[in-house]
Amino acid sequence: GAVVSQHPSWVICKSGTSVKIECRSLDFQATTMFWYRQFPKQSLMLMATSNEGSKATYEQGVEKDKFLINHASLTLSTLTVTSAHPEDSSFYICSASPGLAALRAKNIQYFGAGTRLSVL
Amino acid sequence: AQTVTQSQPEMSVQEAETVTLSCTYDTSENNYYLFWYKQPPSRQMILVIRQEAYKQQNATENRFSVNFQKAAKSFSLKISDSQLGDTAMYFCAFMKHSLNAGNMLTFGGGTRLMVKP
Repeated sequence: GAVVSQHPSWVICKSGTSVKIECRSLDFQATTMFWYRQFPKQSLMLMATSNEGSKATYEQGVEKDKFLINHASLTLSTLTVTSAHPEDSSFYICSASPGLAALRAKNIQYFGAGTRLSVL
Repeated sequence: AQTVTQSQPEMSVQEAETVTLSCTYDTSENNYYLFWYKQPPSRQMILVIRQEAYKQQNATENRFSVNFQKAAKSFSLKISDSQLGDTAMYFCAFMKHSLNAGNMLTFGGGTRLMVKP
């Protein structure tokens, strides 16, 4: 149980285009989802926290107009990288926190498999 | 704000031997959770073990165990009988306690573990 699907796993795009990454909780409802960015051989850096039905909370230094996050349902959050540039190339990972009290009480986040973004 | 420090960027261990990965953290919180995540070459984050700060007993999961020293703010991971499949990046992570949960994880810089045959 507690599977998080992230799609696509790898995307290559031209500079100036926008890319959408989806994060779905397959067998549970996720009231909170998180988006992380990971550079090669580095740790995960939190970009933003999204709660279903409300605006995302962005970490300091993350451009909210650049990285649009939508959490329209309890099972889906999307990250759109707008007008992507080569410096946006990175590995993006989502995680989900269950809404069900019994699972939520464990304070475990379930991670997607990540998306490798390459901007040419 | 919380910080998590992993002082060993890289480690290696012979297959079947035991290895310990270090983690220290800094927080003013009294109630929190600590985690070890594994990230193999596939880059999928996998939860290895979880510790609740209010529990004195160290968590164990099969070959994985922790040494949680709350006063020292230390949370090391011991891997016994190391296997080739244990080769991965290991991240120590901190989360504040909240009744509503949904709290963020703060990650350490990671330790790259290589298990040698």
